[in-house]
Amino acid sequence: DTTVKQNPRYKLARVGKPVNLICSQTMNHDTMYWYQKKPNQAPKLLLFYYDKILNREADTFEKFQSSRPNNSFCSLYIGSAGLEYSAMYLCASSRGRVNSDYTFGSGTRLLVI
Amino acid sequence: GDSVTQTEGLVTLTEGLPVMLNCTYQTIYSNPFLFWYVQHLNESPRLLLKSFTDNKRTEHQGFHATLHKSSSSFHLQKSSAQLSDSALYYCALSDRTSGSWQLIFGSGTQLTVMP
Repeated sequence: DTTVKQNPRYKLARVGKPVNLICSQTMNHDTMYWYQKKPNQAPKLLLFYYDKILNREADTFEKFQSSRPNNSFCSLYIGSAGLEYSAMYLCASSRGRVNSDYTFGSGTRLLVI
Repeated sequence: GDSVTQTEGLVTLTEGLPVMLNCTYQTIYSNPFLFWYVQHLNESPRLLLKSFTDNKRTEHQGFHATLHKSSSSFHLQKSSAQLSDSALYYCALSDRTSGSWQLIFGSGTQLTVMP
């Protein structure tokens, strides 16, 4: 199985409520990434795990959390959703090398109301 | 910091005409890796082609691109567009922070091929 699975496909959340998005892969990739994609914008890297080490981007450090309890699974957690979190969230995995291909999931479209 | 620029947000052309999607980048690294990803409607982005060799043409599925370090460019080309080429195309650059590699994406170019 060479796919990255994301659940759910669509997520509706209310302002101020928490959101938890899930990603899994069975390719034994050492690195897993979360990107945020808004219309007409580049996918923006939020954070990534290299093995058990979490790296978060400086400008999103306080907005997103993540966990990776095992090699296959990675979650993205928003403690208190705001309207600005409405976006497509893409999970990807790779072997973490400079020329490694990413395998993307199909994404979770989050709408915050 | 490192960045990728795709100047065209939308490209519409007729089937059979040549395709050229622009990509330029900025990086502190002297040996950058560049990628093109393609995303068809309702599908995940997938790798189309990649390169790190200066002035060497890379080809896959009828598309080709050449990394030119002198102009920091990695334009995507195809000699004859097909209807099935309609998709969103991302140019990406490999960047290294915190000891690991990740991709920096351009904003994407939506290619629409008309009959």
